[in-house]
Amino acid sequence: DAGVIQSPRHEVTEMGQEVTLRCKPISGHDYLFWYRQTMMRGLELLIYFNNNVPIDDSGMPEDRFSAKMPNASFSTLKIQPSEPRDSAVYFCASSLDGVRNEQFFGPGTRLTVL
Amino acid sequence: SQQGEEDPQALSIQEGENATMNCSYKTSINNLQWYRQNSGRGLVHLILIRSNEREKHSGRLRVTLDTSKKSSSLLITASRAADTASYFCALDTGGFKTIFGAGTRLFVKA
Repeated sequence: DAGVIQSPRHEVTEMGQEVTLRCKPISGHDYLFWYRQTMMRGLELLIYFNNNVPIDDSGMPEDRFSAKMPNASFSTLKIQPSEPRDSAVYFCASSLDGVRNEQFFGPGTRLTVL
Repeated sequence: SQQGEEDPQALSIQEGENATMNCSYKTSINNLQWYRQNSGRGLVHLILIRSNEREKHSGRLRVTLDTSKKSSSLLITASRAADTASYFCALDTGGFKTIFGAGTRLFVKA
């Protein structure tokens, strides 16, 4: 398996633009997590899905953020409109059984909002 | 806060030396995991220790867990330059989230 795949790896955009981050989890993993990492706040869980259903989105900073998982092999995280404070590295991770065992992280998307 | 707190925040050692990192927490846990993050990469799982375990080994890694003190330590023996990375403890507190600490940045000098 190729592991968790994220695209794009780098994204530079201007304030106000829409940004869409993409993730393909490991096949067979029922859980998918979106994290955001910054120097100031560390690694924050934004939202996670179980069997394509959003379970907890309490970490989503505000209504500008939305996430979908239309099927077991694809998820998106959208920011609209983007703001400079959204600049961070966004990670997608997947696991077999939630937090009881290891999560497999993708390489991340480094987002810069100018 | 439920977050694990790593100590030290940064550690610089010579190749061949041992590196010890600590994680303290405030709530009860089901398990505690350690992850490594190389610069510019995603996190990689190293080891998981359950609340009823006291010590686990994996290669050059040794993890201990003291639930009475609510603390864990990660020991890397005979460190190598390739061990240079950030190390995070992650807590399973029984909810549906893994709580990550702020990490220890390890630098191993060749």
